[in-house]
Amino acid sequence: QVQLQESGPGLVKPSETLSLTCRVSGDSVSSASYYWSWIRQPPGKGLEWIGYIYYSGTTNYNPSLKSRVTISVDKSKNEFSLSLTSVTAADTAVYYCASRVRGTGGVWFDPWGPGTLVTVSS
Amino acid sequence: SYELTQPPSLSVSPGQTVTITCSGDKLGDQYASWYQQRPGQSPVLLIFQDSKRPSGVPERFSGSNSGDTATLTISGTQPMDEADYYCQARDRTNFIVFGGGTKLAVL
Repeated sequence: QVQLQESGPGLVKPSETLSLTCRVSGDSVSSASYYWSWIRQPPGKGLEWIGYIYYSGTTNYNPSLKSRVTISVDKSKNEFSLSLTSVTAADTAVYYCASRVRGTGGVWFDPWGPGTLVTVSS
Repeated sequence: SYELTQPPSLSVSPGQTVTITCSGDKLGDQYASWYQQRPGQSPVLLIFQDSKRPSGVPERFSGSNSGDTATLTISGTQPMDEADYYCQARDRTNFIVFGGGTKLAVL
């Protein structure tokens, strides 16, 4: 059973880069069975899909964030990462990593990590 | 951009049945998923491929999807079902969209 755990700074200054890591346990980040995903939730608001990466390096990003987002995989550490540049207060959110099973018939995310709150403030 | 619309809030009495809707253009042509999020917790998958339940999800949760609307039905609602519920689908350009969420109160 895959388990996920986010980590990274809880406070980032405006205009700087937000960097988070998701540690994968219970399976390999090199598995062909999953897409590794990031999703965020501003305080008191709904969920927003950020993007995902396949072990081969193929990525797919939310068009509204695409110019600022990079998702990468580190196979040696069995983790994947999120980088979001030029952050503003609007990027303040709980950031979740989640796995998506690869296959036909729709998209769903399971499981999710516990989430990590990132606040953008000077 | 593709949008999924949910009612912001609903209320239900314990033991009753409640239906949460998720509307989107030709949503029935895509598969829908549903998530439950209790306060302070991360979302949990309830329904995938319109109507399938992961192991461990109670049978009182069921889903359907047709036309422009996907629905999540909770039968015999329990106080522990008080939570936020989100629908999710993939649009025709392969981007993933979540509904705005429905806050369910069990009164």
